[in-house]
Amino acid sequence: NAGVTQTPKFQVLKTGQSMTLQCAQDMNHEYMSWYRQDPGMGLRLIHYSVGAGITDQGEVPNGYNVSRSTTEDFPLRLLSAAPSQTSVYFCASSGTGADTEAFFGQGTRLTVV
Amino acid sequence: DAKTTQPPSMDCAEGRAANLPCNHSTISGNEYVYWYRQIHSQGPQYIIHGLKNNETNEMASLIITEDRKSSTLILPHATLRDTAVYYCIVRVKAAGNKLTFGGGTRVLVKP
Repeated sequence: NAGVTQTPKFQVLKTGQSMTLQCAQDMNHEYMSWYRQDPGMGLRLIHYSVGAGITDQGEVPNGYNVSRSTTEDFPLRLLSAAPSQTSVYFCASSGTGADTEAFFGQGTRLTVV
Repeated sequence: DAKTTQPPSMDCAEGRAANLPCNHSTISGNEYVYWYRQIHSQGPQYIIHGLKNNETNEMASLIITEDRKSSTLILPHATLRDTAVYYCIVRVKAAGNKLTFGGGTRVLVKP
């Protein structure tokens, strides 16, 4: 069972560079979301999507863009990386049925130097 | 989503039951109590959820007080692999995976 797959697992960027974190799920889930987790902290919501073509901002959206062209994929784009974006990024998906628990990927550890 | 309060840390002896409290005094009638855990730096893992009644699955039991202002997650026989940060989250079920994570409880299971 693949579940939620994030790539890459590790990435180092220079300040000002851009990149895309990939997230794919194979469970046909409508809901997908991106979180970041700073050291010693809980996860914070960046952006989320309730279906293909629909996205919205979470708690900490600045510096990030998302799009949802398919049900399976929900990429997160860093437009111009800053050291403050050094964090671990998690993608999650969930269905809309009665059991709406969220499934998380294994994370992408990003360092911006 | 309602705010939750959890103790920052607790220790538990291997083989014993671990009782993790959570306070959610401002919970609304349509909000569920969810528990997730995060082992090391892995992605959070769903444990259990409930609305009013107590719930049990293969991982844990969830006890919700009658006034729904607090709950307790019970790991019946803690193992070393249960060492993790446990998050209590309150949310409307229709909110999908818009989850608000607090600081959680860091549980250390000791041999």
